[in-house]
Amino acid sequence: EIVLTQSPATLSLSPGERATLSCRASQSVSSSLAWFQQKPGLAPRLLIYEASNRATGIPARFSGSGSGTDFTLTISSLEPEDFAVYYCQQRSNWPLTFGGGTKVEIK
Amino acid sequence: QVQLVQSGAEVKKPGASVRVSCKASGFPFSSYGFSWLRQAPGQGPEWMGWISAYTGDTYYAQNFQDRFTMTTDTSTSTAYMELRSLRSDDTAVYYCAREVVRWNLIARAGSDPWGQGTLVTVSS
Repeated sequence: EIVLTQSPATLSLSPGERATLSCRASQSVSSSLAWFQQKPGLAPRLLIYEASNRATGIPARFSGSGSGTDFTLTISSLEPEDFAVYYCQQRSNWPLTFGGGTKVEIK
Repeated sequence: QVQLVQSGAEVKKPGASVRVSCKASGFPFSSYGFSWLRQAPGQGPEWMGWISAYTGDTYYAQNFQDRFTMTTDTSTSTAYMELRSLRSDDTAVYYCAREVVRWNLIARAGSDPWGQGTLVTVSS
């Protein structure tokens, strides 16, 4: 199965700053990668699919890039509601797998 | 609006079975598939399997193949999962999520939306 490694584990930033989250796959997943945001006590929410496509209703400050084994989620200017845990998921190979998550916390 | 509403929390003893439902509304049920996922306390999500509400085709993660079953009822727009022979490490929040209707399209889409989650606690 494909292993996804997310870094850093924790990102401490202030509102208004730029956040850059990384997801690396153990083998190529082409562009078949999704990003999710999860807040405490809530279900994950789809942000990005197919590496760079924003899901319906997702603000433009969220962007995804990459292909093959290296992917990035960028939040251009952090809003207070963006402090959460972010997961990547590969959808190229069965079984679908998730990374371990990056927590974006307020500095 | 598009919504998935899951059944309520369950407490089960080791060795028992649990069935969780996921009622869909706001979209044509048979035009989609559904993934089931779980999240143990403090962990990331884990994908368990996918089912097409149109064809009934299923894909199961190998970890669950022997004791996990997914079904759909198009008459009530409801997806179901059943996990048998429960162990303490099955304690988790279980989620359903809407997916594409055919497995060969799954790489180009995302799981959206998710249900609110169902806490399953396995304890003697």
